[in-house]
Amino acid sequence: AQTVTQSQPEMSVQEAETVTLSCTYDTSESNYYLFWYKQPPSRQMILVIRQEAYKQQNATENRFSVNFQKAAKSFSLKISDSQLGDTAMYFCAFMNRDDKIIFGKGTRLHILP
Amino acid sequence: DAGITQSPRHKVTETGTPVTLRCHQTENHRYMYWYRQDPGHGLRLIHYSYGVKDTDKGEVSDGYSVSRSKTEDFLLTLESATSSQTSVYFCAISEIDDSKAFFGQGTRLTVV
Repeated sequence: AQTVTQSQPEMSVQEAETVTLSCTYDTSESNYYLFWYKQPPSRQMILVIRQEAYKQQNATENRFSVNFQKAAKSFSLKISDSQLGDTAMYFCAFMNRDDKIIFGKGTRLHILP
Repeated sequence: DAGITQSPRHKVTETGTPVTLRCHQTENHRYMYWYRQDPGHGLRLIHYSYGVKDTDKGEVSDGYSVSRSKTEDFLLTLESATSSQTSVYFCAISEIDDSKAFFGQGTRLTVV
């Protein structure tokens, strides 16, 4: 069974700093998708970034980028120039060929003024 | 924003009573999911559907059933609610070849 592991339950960084959230996953499949979702205090789940496993190029969305290491089964999220609005719970997720989406337990990120 | 509506948004119910949560979409997406979110556990998949009347179990399906008689509606039923089912429930949708999920606003269920 596929699993997603986020080893950092909670992190804090100063505003404007860069922060990296870690995620590892386990699968025997070669084609899949990986995601980072953000959940602010409003509880809404917001898609931050998506990576397709067959693409070697790391996905980027404005201040958010990923470091995708397929052989190591690692998928970290980097937030540059962090802002107070980035304070949220962040979930790493995996979608397999059956379109089941499996989530990690999350990392609570605090951006400090 | 994707058109997904969960109802009710909040519910308090007594142990042993049946409860049905509804997820309604206007996107005509094929896949629909029910998750529960609990502190320290992230989001755990309860059931999902890959088409009308086609459903499958997730990792925490015990005590839950689902039905999907129309593309747009996916119902989650707790036949006899227990306190361990107190949680926030999320519905999500996705489409083939789009491979990203959109979420509803969540339903906070409290079983007393």
